[in-house]
Amino acid sequence: DAGITQSPRHKVTETGTPVTLRCHQTENHRYMYWYRQDPGHGLRLIHYSYGVKDTDKGEVSDGYSVSRSKTEDFLLTLESATSSQTSVYFCAISEVRPDTQYFGPGTRLTVL
Amino acid sequence: GDSVTQMEGPVTLSEEAFLTINCTYTATGYPSLFWYVQYPGEGLQLLLKATKADDKGSNKGFEATYRKETTSFHLEKGSVQVSDSAVYFCALRRPTGNQFYFGTGTSLTVIP
Repeated sequence: DAGITQSPRHKVTETGTPVTLRCHQTENHRYMYWYRQDPGHGLRLIHYSYGVKDTDKGEVSDGYSVSRSKTEDFLLTLESATSSQTSVYFCAISEVRPDTQYFGPGTRLTVL
Repeated sequence: GDSVTQMEGPVTLSEEAFLTINCTYTATGYPSLFWYVQYPGEGLQLLLKATKADDKGSNKGFEATYRKETTSFHLEKGSVQVSDSAVYFCALRRPTGNQFYFGTGTSLTVIP
């Protein structure tokens, strides 16, 4: 299994609070991705990174920001959480020339 | 834009039945195509892939053939087992670019 961890694995928070999710890899892969998974929508890309400090938006980036200061860490921040951001968040990585993606175990976030 | 369309679920089959999950895609050029599987409470795992037309991906008794003429990548298995119960996702990656596009997922339940 690819070495990908996500933290926390579960989080409950209140509307309006900031939340940061962390993805950590030990594979030295260049590309890292954040997805959210919701019933009826499958996986939707939030942001991705193609190198340290190089990031780009996905299809559902509003309300989210990311940072990548080291190859191994990719942070997803919800500046002011809303109930619509209740979801399961998955991190994924892929190699220099992205072919296959490898997924982390997921973070279940509940915004009350 | 690029997209993947999967058959609606859920699908319920008896053990040893034949499985087909349909997947069609829209993309420019020759994308790479993937099937991922998600077991309950886990992240997605690569099941199989194909990178060019007429390629057949196979793994654990599952097969899918890249059909350029019908823009399809249907997943098949000749005899399903209870342990195959999971959600299956079809996905593509463009020949250029770094993003992956996922279908909405098809839930499969196999009953003894």
